[in-house]
Amino acid sequence: KQEVTQIPAALSVPEGENLVLNCSFTDSAIYNLQWFRQDPGKGLTSLLLIQSSQREQTSGRLNASLDKSSGRSTLYIAASQPGDSATYLCAVFQGAQKLVFGQGTRLTINP
Amino acid sequence: DAGVTQSPTHLIKTRGQQVTLRCSPKSGHDTVSWYQQALGQGPQFIFQYYEEEERQRGNFPDRFSGHQFPNYSSELNVNALLLGDSALYLCASSWEAYEQYFGPGTRLTVT
Repeated sequence: KQEVTQIPAALSVPEGENLVLNCSFTDSAIYNLQWFRQDPGKGLTSLLLIQSSQREQTSGRLNASLDKSSGRSTLYIAASQPGDSATYLCAVFQGAQKLVFGQGTRLTINP
Repeated sequence: DAGVTQSPTHLIKTRGQQVTLRCSPKSGHDTVSWYQQALGQGPQFIFQYYEEEERQRGNFPDRFSGHQFPNYSSELNVNALLLGDSALYLCASSWEAYEQYFGPGTRLTVT
């Protein structure tokens, strides 16, 4: 059974810092991996999708990496801003049909 | 281009009642998945519909059922509501098994 773990559960940093969010998964037989952002009480916004054959994806200040062999992914956020405050969720696509999510990292950027 | 839409936004029901939630997928998408997100947790996969049939199901009881219509929209039905069914219900659409796009969710409160 696939299990996804995100560390840390919560993170608070001052504005302008670069930061890394971690995601680990137990079964390396994944189809792809997706990072999402969720604002309180809202739906999920897709940030980056990494196909299983890829090592990383970049979008603006965000960079996500994938190491299937070690069962790890990281989301790097450069020059953090207060607007980046949200919960960040990592999910692996299992069997090409369903997403298995971690519990998320609640990020607070302090002005 | 409208994204994934869900209705209603909020719903309050009493234990034992039945509820129907609705989802319209993003234009061009043919696959709809439903997820349940309890407070402070990551979303849990309920089931996925493709070509009007349930393609895969998560670990949810038969009280949870669904339907997909010829226009790819979908309904989630929950019978005999329990207090533990209180959650944010998220709909996601995709084209086959690619990147999933989520709607804003329906907040269900069971009293």
